Amino acid sequence: NAGVMQNPRHLVRRRGQEARLRCSPMKGHSHVYWYRQLPEEGLKFMVYLQKENIIDESGMPKERFSAEFPKEGPSILRIQQVVRGDSAAYFCASSPPLLRGSYEQYFGPGTRLTVT
Amino acid sequence: DAKTTQPPSMDCAEGRAANLPCNHSTISGNEYVYWYRQIHSQGPQYIIHGLKNNETNEMASLIITEDRKSSTLILPHATLRDTAVYYCIVRVGGNMLTFGGGTRLMVKP
Repeated sequence: NAGVMQNPRHLVRRRGQEARLRCSPMKGHSHVYWYRQLPEEGLKFMVYLQKENIIDESGMPKERFSAEFPKEGPSILRIQQVVRGDSAAYFCASSPPLLRGSYEQYFGPGTRLTVT
Repeated sequence: DAKTTQPPSMDCAEGRAANLPCNHSTISGNEYVYWYRQIHSQGPQYIIHGLKNNETNEMASLIITEDRKSSTLILPHATLRDTAVYYCIVRVGGNMLTFGGGTRLMVKP
C-alpha cells in the first residue's frame, strides 16, 4: 500500500509565477490536510479537505492561495503570483474515515518550493 | 485543542530507553494524545496515540497518567536513526494537528 505521494518534490518558481502542488492520499483515505513549514519553523496547518469539499481553511492566506480535492484525481494546492515569502516546504497528510473518534494522519515527503 | 509543553531538547545514549515527557494539563475528556516525529526535513511520521490507557506498538510505548494531565513516550532501545524532533499533540479526532516546538532528541553513540 503506497504512502502519501506528493509531486513535485522540488519546485522553483520566479516571483509572480504560479505554483501547483499535488497530493495523492493513501488508498482508502478520504481526508486531506495541507501544512506549511517555513525555514527553521514548525509546521502550520493550512487547509483540510474531503472529496469535493473544503472543511476548514482557517490556516490558509486569504489571497493567492487555493486548494481543491476533486472527486477524481489528487488534491491540488495552488499559489498564484508567488513571492519570496512563499518559499517553504509544503506537506500533505491524509487520514481514513473517522473511527472511534480518533484517527491518525499520514504525511507525504513534502514539496520544497523555492521562489527566486 | 489543548496546549502541550515539552522540553526543547534531550540526549539519549544509543541502545538505552528514551523517555520523552509531555504536559497537557488542560486536556479535555474527548481529546486524544498523539505523538509524531520529524526526522531532519522529512514529512512528520505518526508514532502512536492514546486516550486513557497506555498503548504500545512496534515503534514505542505511550504512558498516560491517570488524570491525563501528562504523558511519556518511550522508545525502548533508541538508535541513531531515532534522532529527530518529537511532537506531542492533543486534539479531538478529525481536527488539524497543531505542532508546537517539540523535543529535539539527539541519540548519541
